[in-house]
Amino acid sequence: QQQVKQSPQSLIVQKGGIPIINCAYENTAFDYFPWYQQFPGKGPALLIAIRPDVSEKKEGRFTISFNKSAKQFSLHIMDSQPGDSATYFCAASDPTSGTYKYIFGTGTRLKVLA
Amino acid sequence: GAVVSQHPSRVICKSGTSVKIECRSLDFQATTMFWYRQFPKKSLMLMATSNEGSKATYEQGVEKDKFLINHASLTLSTLTVTSAHPEDSSFYICSAGSPGVETQYFGPGTRLLVL
Repeated sequence: QQQVKQSPQSLIVQKGGIPIINCAYENTAFDYFPWYQQFPGKGPALLIAIRPDVSEKKEGRFTISFNKSAKQFSLHIMDSQPGDSATYFCAASDPTSGTYKYIFGTGTRLKVLA
Repeated sequence: GAVVSQHPSRVICKSGTSVKIECRSLDFQATTMFWYRQFPKKSLMLMATSNEGSKATYEQGVEKDKFLINHASLTLSTLTVTSAHPEDSSFYICSAGSPGVETQYFGPGTRLLVL
């Protein structure tokens, strides 16, 4: 019940395409869902985050869609660029932990072809 | 966004020695810091949660005597890998959070290689 399932494991798109990464969770107590971008040898960087009371959030070329009833959320990257090639992680914050501990998805390796 | 630094960025040590990794929040007070371990092409594995001025809470399976965590101030937490062995070689990443805020800001990571 503490898992966050992420798919696909890897993804290749052409420049300008819209890669979509999906995550699903079971624990309805999760109340904060961030997405992080990680380049090789670097720490994760926060991209965008959403709460369950919002169905969609957009920041620049990044959009999160959230389906509370299905317990699923996804990241869309508009007009993808080669510089977006990285590993993307979804996460869920567990408020019952008392410290906003994150449960991470398994990651998606995105490659955007020039 | 908030800035978190880690030092060193890379360390090589001999088996049996201890290594200390520092995690600093540069522009905010971090009451909570998290330590993660990441294997190549894998997700982040939470090792422990540390709160300023109190003992760290370790995840199941993480040896507290091997991975010593100290969070002595609101801007600094340290992870000491004691009696390091080659299997401890990994990428260690810290993150920091502000009081009452869910967002975690990650450091750049420390690559540890134990020979």
